[in-house]
Amino acid sequence: NAGVTQTPKFRVLKTGQSMTLLCAQDMNHEYMYWYRQDPGMGLRLIHYSVGEGTTAKGEVPDGYNVSRLKKQNFLLGLESAAPSQTSVYFCASRGTSGTDTQYFGPGTRLTVL
Amino acid sequence: GIQVEQSPPDLILQEGANSTLRCNFSDSVNNLQWFHQNPWGQLINLFYIPSGTKQNGRLSATTVATERYSLLYISSSQTTDSGVYFCAAPPTGTGGFKTIFGAGTRLFVKA
Repeated sequence: NAGVTQTPKFRVLKTGQSMTLLCAQDMNHEYMYWYRQDPGMGLRLIHYSVGEGTTAKGEVPDGYNVSRLKKQNFLLGLESAAPSQTSVYFCASRGTSGTDTQYFGPGTRLTVL
Repeated sequence: GIQVEQSPPDLILQEGANSTLRCNFSDSVNNLQWFHQNPWGQLINLFYIPSGTKQNGRLSATTVATERYSLLYISSSQTTDSGVYFCAAPPTGTGGFKTIFGAGTRLFVKA
C-alpha cells in the first residue's frame, strides 16, 4: 500500500513549456485534489475531483488543467508554464465519508525559469 | 469566502515545553483538520476534529464549533515536533470539498 504517490519529484521548466504532473493513489478514494504551496503560505486548492471522469475548479485554477480518466489517477497539466507557477505541488485523496481525512503525496517541486 | 487564521505564526520552544496553537475560522465548517508538515515537506494528518476533544499521545486537539475556533496542544515537545502546523476546514455548504488551509504555525523545538 503506497498511499499517494507523485511523479516527478522535481522539475525545471522554461517559460512557455508544458508538462504534466501525475498523482496516483491505491486507497480506492473517490476524492482527489491538487494544491500548490508557496513559501510561507498554506496550501491553495487548484482543482479537485469527486470521482472518475469528474473535475472542478478550486481557489486558483487559472493556468492549469486536470483530468481524472481513471479513479486512481489525477493528472495536473500546465499548458504554458509561467514563473508565477514556481511552487511545490501536492496531491491528496480521501474517501467519501464526512469523517475521512486527506492523505497527501510527497510533493513535486517545480521551478519555471 | 471563509477565512482561516492561525496563531502564533512562529513559535520557538525548548525541548520539554508545552504549547498551544490556535485556529480561528470565520464561518461554520463541516469539519476541521490539523496537519503537520515536517522539515522535509511531508504532510501528515494529525486530527480530524469537527467538535470536541481528541488525544493522540502527546498531542491533543479541541474544537469549539459554536465559537469557531480549534486548539492544538503539544505537551513535552520534542525536536521531532518541529515543522509547520496547519489547520484546514471546508465551509459548510460547499459539499466538504473545498478545504481551506490557514497559513500555518511554524514551530522550532530546540534541544
